[in-house]
Amino acid sequence: KQEVTQIPAALSVPEGENLVLNCSFTDSAIYNLQWFRQDPGKGLTSLLLIQSSQREQTSGRLNASLDKSSGRSTLYIAASQPGDSATYLCAVSLDRGSTLGRLYFGRGTQLTVWP
Amino acid sequence: DAGVIQSPRHEVTEMGQEVTLRCKPISGHDYLFWYRQTMMRGLELLIYFNNNVPIDDSGMPEDRFSAKMPNASFSTLKIQPSEPRDSAVYFCASSVQRNTEAFFGQGTRLTVV
Repeated sequence: KQEVTQIPAALSVPEGENLVLNCSFTDSAIYNLQWFRQDPGKGLTSLLLIQSSQREQTSGRLNASLDKSSGRSTLYIAASQPGDSATYLCAVSLDRGSTLGRLYFGRGTQLTVWP
Repeated sequence: DAGVIQSPRHEVTEMGQEVTLRCKPISGHDYLFWYRQTMMRGLELLIYFNNNVPIDDSGMPEDRFSAKMPNASFSTLKIQPSEPRDSAVYFCASSVQRNTEAFFGQGTRLTVV
């Protein structure tokens, strides 16, 4: 079974800092990896999706990298802002017929950016 | 498109009652997923559909849970009878293909007392 771990569980930083959130997964036979953002009481918003053949994806101040062989991904947030405060979730889908489509989620990193 | 729409947003019910959660996926998305989020277990897949057909229901916890998708624009998740341990946030998500970007609804917060 795929296990997804996110470190740290919580992070509190001052505005303007560059951050790195970590995600690791036990089964490297992934099809893709997604990073989501979840605000309190809200649904999940997809931030970036990286296919297994890709090494990184960028969107604005966000950059996600993927090292499939070592089972790791990082989400880099540049010049953090208070509006970035949320829980960030990592999810992977496996490249295996019977489980295709199922997303395996980590428990998330709760980020607080203070002014 | 308005995105994935779920109703109700909040549901409080008494133990033993039937609960029905509803979801409208994004038009043109062939895949629909039901997830449950709890503090203890995080986000877990319950079931997913492809073109209205259930593909993987191995995450459905018990026979008390059932899900249907009568057409491409509507799905329900039913719990009968409900129990306090079913209290959680239930999310519906849809995607164009099973391994493309998943779009989530706002969720239904269910409380069973």
